[in-house]
Amino acid sequence: QKEVEQNSGPLSVPEGAIASLNCTYSDRVSQSFFWYRQYSGKSPELIMSIYSNGDKEDGRFTAQLNKASQYVSLLIRDSQPSDSATYLCAVNVVNTPLVFGKGTRLSVIA
Amino acid sequence: ETGVTQTPRHLVMGMTNKKSLKCEQHLGHNAMYWYKQSAKKPLELMFVYNFKEQTENNSVPSRFSPECPNSSHLFLHLHTLQPEDSALYLCASSQDSASGGSGANVLTFGAGSRLTVL
Repeated sequence: QKEVEQNSGPLSVPEGAIASLNCTYSDRVSQSFFWYRQYSGKSPELIMSIYSNGDKEDGRFTAQLNKASQYVSLLIRDSQPSDSATYLCAVNVVNTPLVFGKGTRLSVIA
Repeated sequence: ETGVTQTPRHLVMGMTNKKSLKCEQHLGHNAMYWYKQSAKKPLELMFVYNFKEQTENNSVPSRFSPECPNSSHLFLHLHTLQPEDSALYLCASSQDSASGGSGANVLTFGAGSRLTVL
């Protein structure tokens, strides 16, 4: 049974701080890793993908992957109230669909 | 029209009704998916179609019946549903349903159909 675990939160951070979201996965042969953002009442939208160990930066977002420890994280620098949403971690193995975590609810306090 | 379009956005039905959800994608993708999202649960994969062929049926009850007439359209036919089936039903598409770090399996979601079963 493939599992993706996330702390459901809510994670509250003050505006301007760094928000750190973590995700662990059970299947050691997982290959592709994604972070989706879902605003309340909306559908998930892709914000980051990462496929190899290390860091990947895109604007204020940094995804970090450590396959040996089976975790992937998302850092949001200079957090803004508009970043308040649920962040979904998704993982997959070759030829299988994505498996999603329950999501972490982030609240950025102005 | 661009992206993934779902209709209706909201649906209320009784347990004896028959209704259908529709999804259309304008991205030139070959794979389409139905997901169910309930409160406090992870997104649950229901069905996957790749090049119009069903490649995944995640032990979904037969009261949910998918149909994929072509790579751009996907339906979910509903009949004799239960109140616990009330949820947000999300359609998604990707270039294909394979993996391998190529990005071909990146999902684009529709806005969802909010279903309430009375």
